[in-house]
Amino acid sequence: DIQMTQSPSSLSASVGDRVTITCQASQGITNSLNWYQQKPGKAPKLLISDAYNLETGVPSRFSGSGSGTEFTFTISSLQPEDIATYYCQHYHDLPITFGQGTRLEIK
Amino acid sequence: QVQLQESGPGLVKPSQTLSLTCTVSGGSINSGGYYWSWIRQRPGKGLEWIGYIYYSGSTYYNPSLQSLASISIDTSNNQFSLRLSSVTAADTAVYYCARWGMAATAFDYWGQGTPLTVSS
Repeated sequence: DIQMTQSPSSLSASVGDRVTITCQASQGITNSLNWYQQKPGKAPKLLISDAYNLETGVPSRFSGSGSGTEFTFTISSLQPEDIATYYCQHYHDLPITFGQGTRLEIK
Repeated sequence: QVQLQESGPGLVKPSQTLSLTCTVSGGSINSGGYYWSWIRQRPGKGLEWIGYIYYSGSTYYNPSLQSLASISIDTSNNQFSLRLSSVTAADTAVYYCARWGMAATAFDYWGQGTPLTVSS
């Protein structure tokens, strides 16, 4: 199985800050990576597909980059409604696996 | 707008078989182009893909479930189901159904999740 390792596991930042989360794959996955946002008690929501494609309706302050084994998820200016846990997920092969999540809090 | 809704017993005893159903509305499960999926989230933990099924009946499972999972599809009722046998406390989780879009290459629609507790 391909292991996905996210860092940090938790993050505290202020409104307006630039926030960056990294996701490392245990082997190369080209750009076969998605990012999801999960708010407490809710299902995950797809934000970015194929490493950098922003889903329709998702604010442009969210972005993704990377390929191979190293990926980055960025919020350019943190807003209060961005408080959530963020997960990366690969689909390079089966089984599909997720990172362990990054919990984002407001400082 | 596609919607998915899970239904299940909420509580199952150890060693029993868990059965969950996902009802799809706003689109046909028979249309092709999608894999219908089950994902779970243990308390305080991350997301684990269980498996998925195509409308033709082809299935793919996470080997970590050790052949205990079985997914089926009922196209006449626009539903798909998960059976998990010989459950233990480790199967206590919120279970989500989700659609994997082959064009989107992502889980693009999710149900709200149904909690399941395994306890005697």
